[in-house]
Amino acid sequence: GENVEQHPSTLSVQEGDSAVIKCTYSDSASNYFPWYKQELGKGPQLIIDIRSNVGEKKDQRIAVTLNKTAKHFSLHITETQPEDSAVYFCAANRATNAGKSTFGDGTTLTVKP
Amino acid sequence: EAGVAQSPRYKIIEKRQSVAFWCNPISGHATLYWYQQILGQGPKLLIQFQNNGVVDDSQLPKDRFSAERLKGVDSTLKIQPAKLEDSAVYLCASSPVPGTGDGLNYGYTFGSGTRLTVV
Repeated sequence: GENVEQHPSTLSVQEGDSAVIKCTYSDSASNYFPWYKQELGKGPQLIIDIRSNVGEKKDQRIAVTLNKTAKHFSLHITETQPEDSAVYFCAANRATNAGKSTFGDGTTLTVKP
Repeated sequence: EAGVAQSPRYKIIEKRQSVAFWCNPISGHATLYWYQQILGQGPKLLIQFQNNGVVDDSQLPKDRFSAERLKGVDSTLKIQPAKLEDSAVYLCASSPVPGTGDGLNYGYTFGSGTRLTVV
């Protein structure tokens, strides 16, 4: 089955700096890669996603890149703010798995004011 | 639109007791998932429903866990008997598009989860 590895497990940045979280996946048949943000006491919230026919996608201060050949994808947050502090999860969906997501183990991002 | 509703928010039980969790997905979402999230880890799929049928329950410990989705809407997840290692957050999620094998997938909307502590 699919295996998703996520790095780093913790990341601390100063407000205004950029943050990058990287994930690798094992199943070359995966074609959909969502990212979730989880705040304390809440369920994960979808913040951005990318499909395998796209190399990069941007939404305001967040962007995701995908390298299908290397089987890795990354989340980039620019101009970080304290409210970006949370746990971020990457996930991968196989093309024909009817929507099942395999998640990484998360990155705890702390943005220091 | 209303989000995914889960109850209870918290539950503390002794080992060998039973417990049940309830989920109401977003209206119209055909696919419903139950995930287990152990502290410090990513969510792990327990079971996936499409309408009221099971799509994938390969990771569900069937000797103690059971789940059903009544009339393709609400769902309940039950643990009987509970073990200490079942302590986790149980997340319910739904998505609007059922898997059709055409490779089209969408992100989930998660509920806030039920935090289970087994003592």
